[in-house]
Amino acid sequence: NAGVTQTPKFRILKIGQSMTLQCTQDMNHNYMYWYRQDPGMGLKLIYYSVGAGITDKGEVPNGYNVSRSTTEDFPLRLELAAPSQTSVYFCASSYSGLHSNQPQHFGDGTRLSIL
Amino acid sequence: QKEVEQDPGPLSVPEGAIVSLNCTYSNSAFQYFMWYRQYSRKGPELLMYTYSSGNKEDGRFTAQVDKSSKYISLFIRDSQPSDSATYLCAMSADGNTGKLIFGQGTTLQVKP
Repeated sequence: NAGVTQTPKFRILKIGQSMTLQCTQDMNHNYMYWYRQDPGMGLKLIYYSVGAGITDKGEVPNGYNVSRSTTEDFPLRLELAAPSQTSVYFCASSYSGLHSNQPQHFGDGTRLSIL
Repeated sequence: QKEVEQDPGPLSVPEGAIVSLNCTYSNSAFQYFMWYRQYSRKGPELLMYTYSSGNKEDGRFTAQVDKSSKYISLFIRDSQPSDSATYLCAMSADGNTGKLIFGQGTTLQVKP
């Protein structure tokens, strides 16, 4: 059982380039999330989805876009990459919200540097 | 003022010590409180979950929530070198969406 899989694990981008961070889960979870973690900091929510076709903004959505066409996949798109987007990006999924102690399962992250 | 404050440490203790990790928060609407453990170059994993106030125990770990003081704690008894990691508190006021607000994490090192 793979859980939450993120690709690529590492990437270096030049300023102004674009890229898509991939996230897929095999647990049939309805809810999926994208977070970023800057050095020495906690995680900040970028976007989330409560089901296929439904997405919404988190705390720090500017400069990012998402889509959710299937239950399994939740790609994160960076347009016009900026140095401020250098971070570690984590994707997470859960079966439902927090009412029933359903944990968010995290992938191992994508380390992105923008130079 | 940040919604969730957590002392980043680092915290270094000898093996077998009792560890106390804490977070304070400012949003009185928070109802869901969690502690995550994050090993180096890995994603966070859920350790403890508490709804509203009170204590919860799971093996060597105890989580406490004091909503009147807006303060949560995680205690680790008989700490082991394998407990060396970053511990993140997380909170939410929205149980429907599962949107979490994280503290910045406390780095713990348990020395043999």
